[in-house]
Order: sequence, then C-alpha cells, then structure tokens
Amino acid sequence: ETGVTQSPTHLIKTRGQQVTLRCSSQSGHNTVSWYQQALGQGPQFIFQYYREEENGRGNFPPRFSGLQFPNYSSELNVNALELDDSALYLCASSSGTSNIQYFGAGTRLSVL
Amino acid sequence: RKEVEQDPGPFNVPEGATVAFNCTYSNSASQSFFWYRQDCRKEPKLLMSVYSSGNEDGRFTAQLNRASQYISLLIRDSKLSDSATYLCVVNKGASGGSYIPTFGRGTSLIVHP
Repeated sequence: ETGVTQSPTHLIKTRGQQVTLRCSSQSGHNTVSWYQQALGQGPQFIFQYYREEENGRGNFPPRFSGLQFPNYSSELNVNALELDDSALYLCASSSGTSNIQYFGAGTRLSVL
Repeated sequence: RKEVEQDPGPFNVPEGATVAFNCTYSNSASQSFFWYRQDCRKEPKLLMSVYSSGNEDGRFTAQLNRASQYISLLIRDSKLSDSATYLCVVNKGASGGSYIPTFGRGTSLIVHP
C-alpha cells in the first residue's frame, strides 16, 4: 500500500454537473499531482500542488481546478462535466525533494 | 509528434522469454525518467528509475540514451506475474523547481505458459 487514499472510488454524474474528488497524500509528502487516465491511454497530467500552491499544469481547461490543504491533502474539482471527462482520475503524492510518485487507487468517473 | 511515445503492443511472450520495450521522448531538456507498472484496473506503481549509466533490479534492466532520446526496459526470464502494462515517464523541469511529468500510453505485456 502506498498510503495515498482517494475518495470516492466510483462516481456517476450527468453532463453539466460539477464533481469534487479527494486525495490524502502519503505521510511526509507535500506534493500532490492529479492525472486523468482514459481507457487504453497513459495518465495525462492535470496539475500539481506543492505546499498549497499550484506548481505546474498540463493541457486541461480552467474548468479543472484544485486545492491543497495545510495537511497536504487535495481536491480536484471539475465543472460543467462533459462526456469525455469519463475516466479514471489518479492522484499521486511525492516529497518535495523527490520526483518519484506514489499513486492512489483512483476514482472512476462516469459522465452520462 | 507526441512528447513520449511507446509501442502499445501487446507483446505476447512465453514464460522464460526475454522482452525489451523502448520509449522515445521529444524534449531534450527532460530531466528524469522512470518505468511504472500498471496492472489491469489498478494504479501505476514505480518499477524503477532510469539512469544514463543503466540500472538493474533482478530480472529488470533499464537504460537511458540521452543522445538518441530513448529509454529502454529489458525483462529477462519472464514470469506469468510480469503480465501488465509498462508505462514510461519523462519529467521536465518547470518553474520554481517543480517538474511536469509526461506518461507514455503504456506497453502491454502478456506472458503465457
């Protein structure tokens, strides 16, 4: 076990709704990254948070936003859900001095 | 051209075979490199880091060729339990000392009896 936990494990939403996904990082890790993984593809980097600040962002629109809290846990928010947002959302934590990432089991989001 | 490219496979090999995967990357400023393993419907897990000098962990050997911009993974004496998708990851530096990781789409390995 990596010690990275994500909730919920599964979620079903309809187009246009908003969703919040949660991630608790491994103890001692201050960096959290979020990924979207579509079926048959590798994880696509959404953004990274380091000490509560966004520290890097991939090619995702502004309706994908996030937060990191003082305990380094994190949220991913997606507004105005689209059918193509259906995917596995992965969170990974790492320490600030290492770029080795430890993944949670993911949240599987279905948008109908 | 994608930033990180992998042959998706599947590579279908018998137990005991040796199999090699390559991964090419386009950004010459990339700084660190990894192989992750992902089992079906599970999260990715670190397999090994990749260095220019090459590194070995049991049956697994990883190599980085900066001049040609590719990384490789060699698996010797394949086991049934090696069946998985192997993801290569290339990190490039970003502002403030952070990094942006880019995953390949993964190479599927099926080891059969």
